[in-house]
Amino acid sequence: QSALTQPASVSGSPGQSITISCTGTSSDVGAYNYVSWYRQHPGKAPKLMIYGVSNRPSGVSSRFSGSKSGNTASLTISGLQAEDEADYYCGSFASSSPGWVFGGGTKLTVL
Amino acid sequence: EVQLVESGGGLVQSGGSLRLSCAASGFTFTNYDMHWVRQATGKGLEWVSAIGTAGNTFYPDSVKGRFTISREIDKNSLYLQMNSLRAEDTAMYYCARVVWDLRTFDLWGQGTMVTVSS
Repeated sequence: QSALTQPASVSGSPGQSITISCTGTSSDVGAYNYVSWYRQHPGKAPKLMIYGVSNRPSGVSSRFSGSKSGNTASLTISGLQAEDEADYYCGSFASSSPGWVFGGGTKLTVL
Repeated sequence: EVQLVESGGGLVQSGGSLRLSCAASGFTFTNYDMHWVRQATGKGLEWVSAIGTAGNTFYPDSVKGRFTISREIDKNSLYLQMNSLRAEDTAMYYCARVVWDLRTFDLWGQGTMVTVSS
């Protein structure tokens, strides 16, 4: 069981927008602005898409955006494209140890 | 090219040991914290260990006392010594770079598979 809770799956049609939630606690998501989102295509390594709750690394499309409210972070992908179909994971720095925690992943299907 | 390349995975019996390696290139290795993250087949990501730029190490309770992370600066290499392996340690192991100020994993290797047979 993962430390952060994500929906198992979401879907949307090309051009639409979807949002993936990531719920943690006051010891991780709620405590810091250190939430990141990663995309993983089958058989590939994760790729950083969002860091610091809402910042995009160089080269990541502006269609990807992030936000946070309390203990829940969200990733929104607008203008869905076929290439967006993948697994998405949230991650957060946590106050224990210190350490890092991740969500169980959300499978995005582009219909 | 900026990259991380893992090696050393394989099949090992329960109770056995394995040492994973990660070769870093294209960036100043000493400027970054380095981590290992694993992923069981069809499951989510799990943080396994970290080593800071000063050599300080961190582990979750699930591997503390069994796994040891280390780095060899002269070889731009990261290692994970895994002892007393269990079936639940079976996973793809990724080497990852962390930008400490951002607490984010900004570069990942392609992974090396570890299978522990019971």
